[in-house]
Amino acid sequence: AQRVTQPEKLLSVFKGAPVELKCNYSYSGSPELFWYVQYSRQRLQLLLRHISRESIKGFTADLNKGETSFHLKKPFAQEEDSAMYYCALMAGGFKTIFGAGTRLFVKA
Amino acid sequence: EADIYQTPRYLVIGTGKKITLECSQTMGHDKMYWYQQDPGMELHLIHYSYGVNSTEKGDLSSESTVSRIRTEHFPLTLESARPSHTSQYLCASSDPGPGIDEQFFGPGTRLTVL
Repeated sequence: AQRVTQPEKLLSVFKGAPVELKCNYSYSGSPELFWYVQYSRQRLQLLLRHISRESIKGFTADLNKGETSFHLKKPFAQEEDSAMYYCALMAGGFKTIFGAGTRLFVKA
Repeated sequence: EADIYQTPRYLVIGTGKKITLECSQTMGHDKMYWYQQDPGMELHLIHYSYGVNSTEKGDLSSESTVSRIRTEHFPLTLESARPSHTSQYLCASSDPGPGIDEQFFGPGTRLTVL
């Protein structure tokens, strides 16, 4: 079955601390993975996609097929990073499966 | 300006009423989607469309129906609203161009059925 799991509903870190939001997936094919973010009072929007291998707002995510993971990392969290983060898997065709989301709270 | 619009943003309605949630996009996208999201939970795909006159049901069973008569318009209708339909409904669109589809989301409609 195709599934995306984000084990943490809430993650709270201090400003300047490293942050890692976990994402594990279950999919038999070749995965296409994304991180979407929703800031307070804003729309859900794409943060980054694994195929681009890019760093956006200091965030990176590496696809680990062996561990079926796509964790989102940032070495030094900022207060403006506080938001809801969703990991998503495009599972064939164009159906996208979203995880339940992790709320990141960066404390001053 | 290219955007995706949803109206109304908030709707409180009584049981048994017929409602239509509007979604329009000026992005020029062929693919459109409806998701349902309960608070603190994942988004569930309830309907999608490849283009005009194409509609498919998503993974989450829904009593709602959709239509796609125009490329830019993808309304969702509930013939008889029930309290179990209380949720947030998100509309999205994407461009099937080269590379991976990025979905663009509307602001959402928060529906409460009393």
